[in-house]
Formats: sequence, C-alpha cells, structure tokens
Amino acid sequence: ETGVTQSPTHLIKTRGQQVTLRCSSQSGHNTVSWYQQALGQGPQFIFQYYREEENGRGNFPPRFSGLQFPNYSSELNVNALELDDSALYLCASSLGSANTGELFFGEGSRLTVL
Amino acid sequence: AQSVTQLGSHVSVSEGALVLLRCNYSSSVPPYLFWYVQYPNQGLQLLLKYTTGATLVKGINGFEAEFKKSETSFHLTKPSAHMSDAAEYFCAVSPISGYSTLTFGKGTMLLVSP
Repeated sequence: ETGVTQSPTHLIKTRGQQVTLRCSSQSGHNTVSWYQQALGQGPQFIFQYYREEENGRGNFPPRFSGLQFPNYSSELNVNALELDDSALYLCASSLGSANTGELFFGEGSRLTVL
Repeated sequence: AQSVTQLGSHVSVSEGALVLLRCNYSSSVPPYLFWYVQYPNQGLQLLLKYTTGATLVKGINGFEAEFKKSETSFHLTKPSAHMSDAAEYFCAVSPISGYSTLTFGKGTMLLVSP
C-alpha cells in the first residue's frame, strides 16, 4: 500500500507567477484535501475534492484552484503568487467524503515566493 | 465556526517526565477531536481521535487524551517522555456532519531533554 506522495518537495517562485503542486492519494482513497501551513502556524484547509468535484472550500481566494483526476490524484494551482503564499502545502487523502477524521497526509511541498 | 487553542507554543520536559499538552476548542456542538504529530520535514501523522464513546482515548506511542465536554478540552498526555517524542503536536477539530475538514490549532513544539 503506497502512501500519499507530493511533488515537488521544494520550489521557488517569484511574485506574480503561477504554480502547480501535485498529489497522489493513498491507494484506495477517493477524497483529497489540501492544506496550507504557514511558518509557525497550524495547517489551514484550502479545499477538498471527492470523485473529481470540489466538495468544500476554506477561506482562500479564487486564485487557489484545484483538480482531481479519475485516478483520484490531484493538483493545486495558485495563480498570481503573493509573498504570503510562501508555505508548506499539504495534501491529505481519505476514503469517502464523510467525516471520520482519518486523513493521511503527504510530506508536503514547500513553496517559497520571492 | 470552530476554533482550537493550544496553550504554549513550546513545552520542555525531561526524558521520563510526564508530558501534558493542552488543547481547548470552541464549537457550537461537540466536534470530533484529534491530535496529530509532525516530525521535522514530514507530514502529519494521526496520534489519536475522539468521535464517540469512551472519553479517554488511547493512541500510538503511549499517548492518550481525555475529552471533557464541560471544559471543552482535549488535553494530550504521556506518562513518560522519550527523546523520540520531540516533535510538533497539533490539536484539531472537525464537524460531526458534512465533509471531512480539520481546523487545527497553532501547534505545540515538544522538547525533550536527556
């Protein structure tokens, strides 16, 4: 059974650029959630995808968007990057959208915006 | 809206001493409650969770937590700290209905000295 994998692990962008982060969910999981963890803070919920549809969204602007593919992998896209977007982006997968709290996290993609 | 407060951004203990990490939540109805651990440069790992039933829950690595509704608390304890327990610990809550999303506290860094 493979765990949640994310790529890239680290990347550096400049203000105004766009970035795409990728996530492969744990085998058998059909739900993917994305979280942003700024330095010294707890993770904050961005959005969740269930069966290729956005199933819920946190307090993030529309320039944060996502996709889920038929194999349940997912992408997080951020347009018009701002300095405050510098953070660790965590992907978590789970089985079903109903809440059990059993989220399995990847190791994250660390984004630095200069 | 739900929120989580973790008292103390850093807690220092000696190896073999009692570990107590505090978590209080705010929610209109009792939520599901979780503790996650994050080791350096890694994702989050579920330590334990409370959904229903017995209010004292046991998790991995000898940790346990007790849900106290009257105090809106879910403190994490371990009788005897080990050097390998040094990590950041996050308390989180989620609604008991709807899609699975976690609201995290800001985290507590546990430092263990020999």
